[in-house]
Amino acid sequence: QSALTQPASVSGSPGQSITISCTGTSSDIGHFNMVSWFQQHPGKVPRLIISDVSSRTSGVSVRFFGSKSGNTASLTISGLQAEDEADYYCNSYSTSDIHVFGTGTSVTVL
Amino acid sequence: EVQLVQSGAEVKKPGESLKISCKGSGYDFSNYWIGWVRQMPGKGLEWMGIAYYANSDYRYSPSFQGQVTISFDMSISTTYLQWSSLEASDTAMYYCARGAGGTWFYWGQGTPVTVSS
Repeated sequence: QSALTQPASVSGSPGQSITISCTGTSSDIGHFNMVSWFQQHPGKVPRLIISDVSSRTSGVSVRFFGSKSGNTASLTISGLQAEDEADYYCNSYSTSDIHVFGTGTSVTVL
Repeated sequence: EVQLVQSGAEVKKPGESLKISCKGSGYDFSNYWIGWVRQMPGKGLEWMGIAYYANSDYRYSPSFQGQVTISFDMSISTTYLQWSSLEASDTAMYYCARGAGGTWFYWGQGTPVTVSS
């Protein structure tokens, strides 16, 4: 089971919108609506921000939006803020009966 | 309040064995999935395996199958991740997490493991 593919880095200016893609296969993202997204600040524990493709975790800003089309999931962050600078990981369940993470994306706020 | 509290930092030599722990509280420990995640220094998150005690369902990611063992002690609501012979490449942060319906909301604080001669 290979890791889901994410861009290594994405950047944007404060107030802008950015989108992080997460590409899998018909055996994971394309098969299940069990895609989640984690945010991890340096030295911190990963934090679940999106589950089941588009459900925001309680307390997560409405600026975070999750979606899916075919074998690709996406996380859009609108109104980019300095506090959004972190690493982001997608995650999906797979037909191998295990979960798989994405390769991770470092978000930089310019 | 749901909590997962992991054991402390470990420093080991190659070839040694190790068992780290993750103690759950605030919920019925036997009725939720537990997952173990590795994060090597400066690298991404990797699922090592997940387990559901209530029906003895243990699943390991291919890269970790045969390399580690997940176990439980339900008398103290604790899960363990065990190695029989460590390698330098096992140096990493290890997290446990609680799963429900494929959603992993609660995480332990992490256990750093250093393997060096």
